[in-house]
Amino acid sequence: SSELTQDPAVSVALGQTVRITCQGDSLRNYYASWYQQKPGQAPVLVFYGKNNRPSGIPDRFSGSSSGNTVSLTITGAQAEDEADYYCNSRDSSAHHVIFGGGTKLTVL
Amino acid sequence: EVQLVESGGGLVQPGGSLRLSCAASGFTFSSYWMHWVRQAPGKGLVWVSRINSDGSTTDYADSVKGRFTISRDTAKNTVYLQMNSLRAEDTAVYYCAKCVSTGWYYFDYWGQGTLVTVSS
Repeated sequence: SSELTQDPAVSVALGQTVRITCQGDSLRNYYASWYQQKPGQAPVLVFYGKNNRPSGIPDRFSGSSSGNTVSLTITGAQAEDEADYYCNSRDSSAHHVIFGGGTKLTVL
Repeated sequence: EVQLVESGGGLVQPGGSLRLSCAASGFTFSSYWMHWVRQAPGKGLVWVSRINSDGSTTDYADSVKGRFTISRDTAKNTVYLQMNSLRAEDTAVYYCAKCVSTGWYYFDYWGQGTLVTVSS
């Protein structure tokens, strides 16, 4: 089955811009969604599809896609953005769902 | 307000069974696919299973196929995960999630999770 690959950890200085990437063959056919998870909490949807941000998610979160890679960009990272971020997509068969391994974002 | 409330987790011996429940409210339950996603301690999210809106279609991750069964009861607005032949590697927090699959495909609401521990 398909896989989604993420960098395990990324850091960003407070107020700077950070890009979190996710690679996988299924992303050539399906858009991804992104989830933020803070310790001890359930995941929260922060971005999905081509250019969609759920209500209540700050506009500093944006997404992009190219080929087999999708990216979540945080422009002007805040301390509260420190969390684990997961990408998600259907796999190539469309019968399964896959998650990336997660990226731990540290805001310095 | 959309709410998903999981229950049924606990400590079970290897080879044992558990049934998880996810009670949904605040949306038209019968219109949405529902999924189970798990997270082992200190690890990432892993998709487990899904069921379509009327319960006629189910899919499973290879790691649980043949051991887990997903089902739903529209009258009770509840989705279930019957877990049999449990193994130590099934130890995880299990989340149910509401899936939007019209056009884009994403999980817009998640429950708080229920912990399953498989240990002797």
